This record gives sequence, structure tokens and C-alpha cells, in this order.
Amino acid sequence: EAQVTQNPRYLITVTGKKLTVTCSQNMNHEYMSWYRQDPGLGLRQIYYSMNVEVTDKGDVPEGYKVSRKEKRNFPLILESPSPNQTSLYFCASSLSGTGGIQPQHFGDGTRLSIL
Amino acid sequence: GQQVMQIPQYQHVQEGEDFTTYCNSSTTLSNIQWYKQRPGGHPVFLIQLVKSGEVKKQKRLTFQFGEAKKNSSLHITATQTTDVGTYFCAGMSNDYKLSFGAGTTVTVRA
Repeated sequence: EAQVTQNPRYLITVTGKKLTVTCSQNMNHEYMSWYRQDPGLGLRQIYYSMNVEVTDKGDVPEGYKVSRKEKRNFPLILESPSPNQTSLYFCASSLSGTGGIQPQHFGDGTRLSIL
Repeated sequence: GQQVMQIPQYQHVQEGEDFTTYCNSSTTLSNIQWYKQRPGGHPVFLIQLVKSGEVKKQKRLTFQFGEAKKNSSLHITATQTTDVGTYFCAGMSNDYKLSFGAGTTVTVRA
């Protein structure tokens, strides 16, 4: 089954404790992206990756890191989490090509609470 | 940077009525995508518009992309309870950055 898998689905942690949210897709997609969703603000892009070893900042990259060492994986790293990073996070992937980025396939989300 | 504004934020609709949600971008878009998110779920792709002035229909849903490729709309006719959820537009810039609108949350009165 084609899917985007995020782990963990839920996490409660404390300020300053490094954490990683994993994202994996089995569709051989080139494009992968991370979003955070907050009430009234919609989805805001954190980072995106056009392909292996290529990453770019989205609209809200501060406080986050990503890596794209393999095509299928795109982990989101919070080196020193703070309470303002409490949010619902989505990973997404899609094909890309001369026609631009194709429809995004989203994971089920990770609800992160930073105390 | 690119901004995509979406209105209204909330739409309360009587079952059977029509409504429209609008998106406006501060910059010209290469394409625009529309997604629907049910409560507790993740966004699900509905459609992508690429050409200036493009109009696409999916049953009771009509999507339009403006001539200047800076605005778009989603019109739903004869609203049903299954239309409940939040509808997002997402504008793609030339550098492949995707900017989502804040969404229109739709509730339906039976």
C-alpha cells in the first residue's frame, strides 16, 4: 500500500530535549516536505527537499533541521525544542518533474507537545 | 515571501445551499492545488490547476484558476453533510515552495 509513515504519532517532551520525527514514503517520490499546522494558520511549510541531498527552507524553518540521505526518508529534527514548537506536524511526499510538483501525499500527522 | 490568503475562514452552510471559498496570492503561481481535511485527519488532494483561466469540475465542486495565476476559487453546489471539513488551497511558486492558505472550515446544517 502506498503511504507516508510518520513516527511517533504523539509525543510529549520537555524544553531542550532533542527529538527526531521520522518520515518514510514507499512511492519513490522525489519531493518531500514538512509542515506544521496551527489553529487559524493553516499548514506552514518548514522544509522541503527536491531530491536526495537537496533541502531548502520553507516559510518557518527556524528551530528545525532536516536531512535527506535516502530518497525514502526525510526526518525532522528539533535540536532544542521550545514550547512554541508545540503543534501538529505533517510530512508529505510527491512526484516532481517538468510539470512541477505533483499532488502531495500526507502522513497521518505527529502531535507534538513541548512542556 | 509568497503569501496565500484564503477567505472566509469559516463557512456555515445550510444543506442544499451553495458556497465559495477564495484564495489570493501575493505573487504569480506556477500552479495551485486544493486539499480537503476532515476533522482529525490529514489533508487529501482534490485537484491541481496549472493553466491561466483553467476551470475544472468534480461532481458538485468547481475549481477556477485566475487569468493572472494569482487567485483561485472553489465553488460547491448543493452542499451535503459529507462536505464537512477544512478546504485548503496551496500555491506553488517557481522555486517549488508550496504555500497553503489558512483554510476554510465548513460546517453544514441539516
